[in-house]
Amino acid sequence: DIQMTQSPSSLSASVGDRVTITCRASQGIRNDLGWYQQKPGKAPERLIFAASSLQSGVPSRFSGSGYGTEFTLTISSLQPEDFATYYCLQHNSFPWTFGQGTEVDLK
Amino acid sequence: QVQLVESGGGVVQPGRSLRLSCAASGFTLYASGMHWVRQAPGKGLEWVAVVSYDGSNKLYADSVKGRFTISRDNSQKTLYLQMNSLRPEDTAVYYCAKPDSYDRGFDGWGQGILVTVSS
Repeated sequence: DIQMTQSPSSLSASVGDRVTITCRASQGIRNDLGWYQQKPGKAPERLIFAASSLQSGVPSRFSGSGYGTEFTLTISSLQPEDFATYYCLQHNSFPWTFGQGTEVDLK
Repeated sequence: QVQLVESGGGVVQPGRSLRLSCAASGFTLYASGMHWVRQAPGKGLEWVAVVSYDGSNKLYADSVKGRFTISRDNSQKTLYLQMNSLRPEDTAVYYCAKPDSYDRGFDGWGQGILVTVSS
C-alpha cells in the first residue's frame, strides 16, 4: 500500500498569510493526487486534482504542485473561510490512501 | 448536479450487521464506479471500498475485507454497503463518494451517515 505522509498535522495562521501543506508518497504516484478541504460536520470538497489542476469554482488563491513523491498545497492569502482541515488523496493504486490531515486554525 | 444521499446508519451492537444505502441522482450512475469512505470521530478519512460501474469488480480496505460487501443496483440508482460482524472500531461517519470521469479522486460526496457500534 502507498503511504501518504502529510505535514504539518496542524498550523496556526492569520488572515492574509501564505500557507503551505506538504504530502509525501511512499512511492512514486506520478501526478495522481488531489487535495480536499473539510469543514466541521461537512463532507470533504475537492480543491485540486491531478496535483495541480484547480477544481471548477475553487478560488485561485489555492494552488497545487508536485510530481512523483512530493506534493504541495499552497493558499496564497488565507481567508476566514479557509480555516478547515485539508487532506491529500492518492489515487494511483488501490487502496486509495489519504494523508493524515492538516488542521488550519486562527492564530 | 450530483446528489448523493446516504441512509441506514444508527447504533448497533458489536457483532451485528447493518446495511447502508446511497441514493444517487444528477449524473449517470451506471457509467461510474462508486466508493465508500469513512471517518472515525475526530480522525482522518479512510477509503473503504469501490465497486465498478457494472458491479463486477470490487475492492476493499484490509480493515473491512471479509466483513463488508459493496454492491449497487443501477436500476434503482442506489449504492449499498453491507456491514457484517461490526466492531467498535467501525464507528464512523460513512460517505458514499463519486469519482470524476477519469478516476482522479472524488468530485461528489454524500452528506455522510453515522454508524455507532456499541453495546
